[in-house]
Amino acid sequence: GQQLNQSPQSMFIQEGEDVSMNCTSSSIFNTWLWYKQDPGEGPVLLIALYKAGELTSNGRLTAQFGITRKDSFLNISASIPSDVGIYFCAGRGPGGAGNMLTFGGGTRLMVKP
Amino acid sequence: DAGVIQSPRHEVTEMGQEVTLRCKPISGHNSLFWYRQTMMRGLELLIYFNNNVPIDDSGMPEDRFSAKMPNASFSTLKIQPSEPRDSAVYFCASRSTGDYEQFFGPGTRLTVL
Repeated sequence: GQQLNQSPQSMFIQEGEDVSMNCTSSSIFNTWLWYKQDPGEGPVLLIALYKAGELTSNGRLTAQFGITRKDSFLNISASIPSDVGIYFCAGRGPGGAGNMLTFGGGTRLMVKP
Repeated sequence: DAGVIQSPRHEVTEMGQEVTLRCKPISGHNSLFWYRQTMMRGLELLIYFNNNVPIDDSGMPEDRFSAKMPNASFSTLKIQPSEPRDSAVYFCASRSTGDYEQFFGPGTRLTVL
């Protein structure tokens, strides 16, 4: 089945630093989604990408859908303490798998004030 | 909108007991997904429904797990009998027709002693 490799698994950064994380897959995806999960809560959608090469921003967050359709990255600029949480990428495959999402393993972000 | 509602938020039970988790999807959404999240395995899709009909239950671990969706506004995930290895956070998510974004509930943290 489809698998997503998300890296890094965890990051511990200083407040104000920029953050970059990515997901790669061995197969093509038609949609990439990025979610954030706060402690004790469910994942919340941050950004959705629908076309290869698409670059989308949401405040300090920027995500891109890779040209090969097999990868995506998420950047966070000027991190703040409330950025702490787990970030998940999720991909939607073509055809019959299109109703389901495949999730990456998550990137745990810790921000030191 | 109230978002996806799950109950209970926390459940502690003893091995062998029956556990029922409940979910109310966002009104108007016609697809519902049950996930399990653990540190070791991340987010795993257990089953999903489309228009109240189970479409893919290949992620259900074993016969001890069952899920129902008697109507468009309610679904249950039942574990009988429960085992300590079932301890995890269980999420319900819903999606509208034609959209790819899934909206997650706050989760139920299950602890089986």
